[in-house]
Amino acid sequence: GQQLNQSPQSMFIQEGEDVSMNCTSSSIFNTWLWYKQDPGEGPVLLIALYKAGELTSNGRLTAQFGITRKDSFLNISASIPSDVGIYFCAGFSSGSARQLTFGSGTQLTVLP
Amino acid sequence: GAGVSQSPSNKVTEKGKDVELRCDPISGHTALYWYRQSLGQGLEFLIYFQGNSAPDKSGLPSDRFSAERTGGSVSTLTIQRTQQEDSAVYLCASSSLAGGHEQYFGPGTRLTVT
Repeated sequence: GQQLNQSPQSMFIQEGEDVSMNCTSSSIFNTWLWYKQDPGEGPVLLIALYKAGELTSNGRLTAQFGITRKDSFLNISASIPSDVGIYFCAGFSSGSARQLTFGSGTQLTVLP
Repeated sequence: GAGVSQSPSNKVTEKGKDVELRCDPISGHTALYWYRQSLGQGLEFLIYFQGNSAPDKSGLPSDRFSAERTGGSVSTLTIQRTQQEDSAVYLCASSSLAGGHEQYFGPGTRLTVT
């Protein structure tokens, strides 16, 4: 099946720093989504990307759909304590009957 | 508006017992998904319902797992003869045809099999 390689697996950063994480795939995706999951909660959709090369922002978050359609990155600027959580990328390809393929997640810890 | 809701939020059961987990999708969403998330892991796809079409059951790990969706809305995931390895958080998500591939998740049910 399709797989997404998400990195890094975990990150420890100082409050105020910027952070970047990415997902890559060996196959083409038509849609990239980024989710955040807080402890004990379900994932919450942060950003959706539908076009290769698309760059979309949501507050301090910026995500891009790679030109090759095989990768995406998420940047968080000026991190704050509430950014702590697990960030998942997810991709959809036309051959997967509306199923999303999820990355393994990036655990973000923000140190005061 | 109301999001995806799931019940119970926590379930502790003895090995060998059957359990039922419930999901109420966002009103008007035609697609419903079940995922399983083991501790510290990513999301494992289980089953997908779309309207009145036959469900995609390709992710169900064994025949002890089954799911129904009544009236195109509420869904129940049933695990028969639970095993300790079934312990995980079970997440439900829904999406609409007009919403592209954006899935909206419920808070999950944490299942513990003792």
